[in-house]
Amino acid sequence: SQQGEEDPQALSIQEGENATMNCSYKTSINNLQWYRQNSGRGLVHLILIRSNEREKHSGRLRVTLDTSKKSSSLLITASRAADTASYFCATDDWKAQKLVFGQGTRLTINP
Amino acid sequence: KAGVTQTPRYLIKTRGQQVTLSCSPISGHRSVSWYQQTPGQGLQFLFEYFSETQRNKGNFPGRFSGRQFSNSRSEMNVSTLELGDSALYLCASSLGTGLASSYNEQFFGPGTRLTVL
Repeated sequence: SQQGEEDPQALSIQEGENATMNCSYKTSINNLQWYRQNSGRGLVHLILIRSNEREKHSGRLRVTLDTSKKSSSLLITASRAADTASYFCATDDWKAQKLVFGQGTRLTINP
Repeated sequence: KAGVTQTPRYLIKTRGQQVTLSCSPISGHRSVSWYQQTPGQGLQFLFEYFSETQRNKGNFPGRFSGRQFSNSRSEMNVSTLELGDSALYLCASSLGTGLASSYNEQFFGPGTRLTVL
């Protein structure tokens, strides 16, 4: 079953613009993670944010977590063509003790 | 450190056959998790191995099995292949601290693309 639901499913922007993706989930979590996947390849870990954290930064990435709304957002600033990929949020379902991935947001950066 | 490696990268099998996929984790990582990725179902957790023991399991039939060796390398096996088993199979390794692999960031391999004809 999918717990994380990403929004939008697809996003197309111009290079240099900011991209924002949202993730909503249903149950209590220990942490929420964001991953990137280039077409047909393995996933690359971007950021892990724990349930007691509200915001985290890594380079051009900013992740927020609102546990009261059960939602998270990933902001990519000053986008580049190389950011074109699918982005997945994954929640740590502490009861099932596994990562549950959303369906992903397909991001396209146009030059 | 070398990343997670998976072999083979591509595999074509026919219905009814069985297949074994291999995963070598990052050195020092004791936890290996397996995921199945399909266009329809997305990424789904298969199972996790830690110190040669299956620690967690997803909702897959018994045709899907795995094991982990003392050097943390892992294999997964799918018996009696069905058309619906066509997918990208991803292996991920992590340090293994905490009760489950999901407690830490996971490092994914490039995947094995299995096609069942």
